[in-house]
Parts: sequence; C-alpha cells; structure tokens
Amino acid sequence: DIQMTQSPSSLSASVGDRVTITCRASQSISSYLNWYQQKPGKAPKLLIYAASSLQSGVPSRFSGSGSGTDFTLTISSLQPEDFATYYCQQSYSTQYSFGQGTKLEIK
Amino acid sequence: QVQLQESGPGLVKPSQTLSLTCTVSGGSISSGSYYWSWIRQPAGKGLEWIGRIYTSGSTNYNPSLKSRVTISVDTSKNQFSLKLSSVTAADTAVYYCARDTLYSNYYYYYYMDVWGKGTTVTVSS
Repeated sequence: DIQMTQSPSSLSASVGDRVTITCRASQSISSYLNWYQQKPGKAPKLLIYAASSLQSGVPSRFSGSGSGTDFTLTISSLQPEDFATYYCQQSYSTQYSFGQGTKLEIK
Repeated sequence: QVQLQESGPGLVKPSQTLSLTCTVSGGSISSGSYYWSWIRQPAGKGLEWIGRIYTSGSTNYNPSLKSRVTISVDTSKNQFSLKLSSVTAADTAVYYCARDTLYSNYYYYYYMDVWGKGTTVTVSS
C-alpha cells in the first residue's frame, strides 16, 4: 500500500497570504498526484491533477508541483473562500489512497 | 453536465450489508474512458477510497476493505452500486460516488473530477 502523508495537519493564515501544503508518498509515484479541496458539508472538489495540471475552472492562484515522493500545493494569495480542508490523493497504484488532510483556517 | 446521485438506506444494522447506488445523469456511464469510484468519510475524519469499477466490470478495491466490498455496474440503468458486508459502527460515514477520469499526455493519469453530494449511512441497532 502507498501511504500519503500531508503536512501540516492544520494551518492558520490570513487573506492575501501565500500558503504551501506538502504531501509525501511512501514510495515514488511519479506525477500521479491529485489535490482536492473540501468545505464543510460538501463533496471534495478537484483542484490539481497529474501533480501540476490545473483543473478547468479552478483559479490560477492554485498551483501544484513535485514528482517522485514529494509534492506541494501552493495558494499564491489566499482568498476568503479558500479556507477549507485540502487532500492529496495518489493514482499511481490502482489502489488509491488519500493524505489525512490539511485544514486551512483563518488567522 | 454529468451529475452523480447516491441513494440507499441511511440506517443499517450491525452485521448486515450496506447497499448504495449511484445514478449517473447528463451522460452515459458507458461513454468515455471512465472508472466509477466509491469513497467514504467518517464524521470529522479524512477521505477513504473504497474501490472503483469500469463499465466492462473490471474492479479495483481498497485492500483493507476488499474482503467485504463488491462494486457492480448496471449500464442499462446508468448506475453503479456498492455493497459492504458485515458492517460495524466503524462503517458509519458519508459515502460518496465519483467519476474517475482518464487523462493522457503520454502517461495515463486518473483523477476524480465529478462527485455526488454524498449520503450518510449510520450503522446502529
């Protein structure tokens, strides 16, 4: 099984801040890494696929990078609607796995 | 625009089988290069992928649930389904269905781009 570990588990930031969330895989997964945003009571929403490709309709302030075992999700300038929980997910294996989530809160 | 809707009992007794259906609307479940996935989320916790199915019937399951899970597809009804046997309180969660889309740029990537709203299932006597 491929284990996905996100850091930090929670993060406080202010509107306008630049924020980076990290995801580490227990083995190399090339670029088979997706990022999702989830707001309370809602289904997850795809932000980034294949490590760095921006999903259609997602604001350009979101970006992803990395390959192998280490990946990052960056929000260049936090907006009020970005306060949510973020999950990474690997699709390298046909047995998918998610990170434990990073909760982004307002400072 | 494709939409997904989960349906099924909201309450299941311990040791029984949880059964859910996901109805696909706005497109054919058989069109395109899609798998169809189930994911769950216990209250206040993270996401857990359960498994997925292709319209050919090919499946992949989470190893930790594999012995109890069956995912099936009914293309005539544009639906796919989840059965989870021998449930316990630990299976209480919001269950989501999602479309698992193929993207190819030399390599083959999958990502879950369309999700249902989720349905809450409680396991309790």
